[in-house]
Amino acid sequence: EAGVAQSPRYKIIEKRQSVAFWCNPISGHATLYWYQQILGQGPKLLIQFQNNGVVDDSQLPKDRFSAERLKGVDSTLKIQPAKLEDSAVYLCASRLPGQIREEQYFGPGTRLTVT
Amino acid sequence: SQELEQSPQSLIVQEGKNLTINCTSSKTLYGLYWYKQKYGEGLIFLMMLQKGGEEKSHEKITAKLDEKKQQSSLHITASQPSHAGIYLCGARGTYKYIFGTGTRLKVLA
Repeated sequence: EAGVAQSPRYKIIEKRQSVAFWCNPISGHATLYWYQQILGQGPKLLIQFQNNGVVDDSQLPKDRFSAERLKGVDSTLKIQPAKLEDSAVYLCASRLPGQIREEQYFGPGTRLTVT
Repeated sequence: SQELEQSPQSLIVQEGKNLTINCTSSKTLYGLYWYKQKYGEGLIFLMMLQKGGEEKSHEKITAKLDEKKQQSSLHITASQPSHAGIYLCGARGTYKYIFGTGTRLKVLA
């Protein structure tokens, strides 16, 4: 079974530029999460999708961050414009809804550096 | 809001030594997860604990959840260089998943 795929793995941009990240979850996983992990901290949930609907985006800075999950499969996370404090690893995770264990499967992450 | 505190923040041990990492919650836990993260990679699920007093083991790693379900510990027996990485505890809060700040483990060969 293929895991969660993310691209790019690394990105360096200047502040005020735009950037987009892509995530392809495990086939059949209806629930998809985007997390932001700043160096030295645990992941912080940005947005949760159930199929193509948003379940929780309370911690997403909506003035600059946006995310979509068209057709309930792949998802993209965009930052426009980027700030220095957006430097972090962006993790995508997916899981089957209704699993008793509720285990999330994580992708390798995209490391963003904003200069 | 619920928070997870991990201790210690970092740990350096000699290969073959035992070690323990703690995770403390400000509220009762209804599902506590342990993950391992290697630098530059995603999180790998290790174990999940749900019941007070529950204990699970996988190879040389044992995780426990206390009876009050507010504290969990992860114990590694006879550590190896392959155990090196960042260990994160996670929990399902009221509406979302939350994570601790992580414990960075280094094992000296």
